[in-house]
Amino acid sequence: VQLVESGGGLVQPGGSLRLSCAASGFGLSSYRMNWVRQAPGKGLEWVAQISITSSTIYYADSVKGRFTISRDNTKNSLFLHVNSLRAEDTAVYYCARREEYSRGGSYYYGMDVWGRGTTVIVSS
Amino acid sequence: EIVLTQSPGTLSLSPGERATLSCRASQTVSTTYLTWYQQKPGQAPRLLVFGASNRAAGIPDRFSGSGSGTDFTLTISRLEPEDFAVYYCQHYGSSPPYSFGQGTKLEIK
Repeated sequence: VQLVESGGGLVQPGGSLRLSCAASGFGLSSYRMNWVRQAPGKGLEWVAQISITSSTIYYADSVKGRFTISRDNTKNSLFLHVNSLRAEDTAVYYCARREEYSRGGSYYYGMDVWGRGTTVIVSS
Repeated sequence: EIVLTQSPGTLSLSPGERATLSCRASQTVSTTYLTWYQQKPGQAPRLLVFGASNRAAGIPDRFSGSGSGTDFTLTISRLEPEDFAVYYCQHYGSSPPYSFGQGTKLEIK
C-alpha cells in the first residue's frame, strides 16, 4: 500500500503546477483523498479533500479559488492543480488517504496512508 | 472554524519517562473526530490515534489517547528512543476545515 507524489518544483509567483499522487497496492476508488501541506519548519496544514466520486470537494480558505483537487479512479491517481502561486504556498505537499473505522456502531476517520511528499517552491 | 492549541510546544524527557501531550480545542469537539499523528524529521506523518482513544493499526500500546469536550491528551507511558518526534492533533470531522494543532516537539533531555 503506497502513495507517491510527483510534479513539484520551482515556480515563479503567479505560476502554476499540477501535482500528482499515484496509488498502488489498493484501489483509490474506495477512498476519500486529501492533500496536506507543510511549509518549511512549520506544522501541517490541511489543503483539500475529494470524495470517491468527486461529487463533494472541500478546500481550505487559504487555497480556495486557486487550487483544484481532482482524481482519476481508472488511473488510480489523485491530482492537485495549483494556480496563482504565492510565496506562502512554498511547502511539501502530501497526499493522504482517508480511512473509515467502525467501532461499536460509530464511525471514525483518520488519514492512514501518506505519501512522502513533493516539494513546491515559489520564488522569483 | 475549530482552532486546536497544543501544549507544551516542546517537551524534554528521557527514555523510560512518561509523556503527556495536550490538545485544547476552541470549541467542543466530538471525540469521534479527534486524531493524533506522529512525524519524524524528513518523514510523512503517521496516524497514531483516531476517535480520540483508538490506536491505529500497528501502534504500540504505550500510546494512548483520551479526553472529551475541548481537552484531549496523548500519553506515551514509557518513552522509547524512537518516540522522539513531533506530534500533531487534528480535528477530522464531518465538515471542514480539518485543522491541525501547531504540534508538540518531544525531544530527548
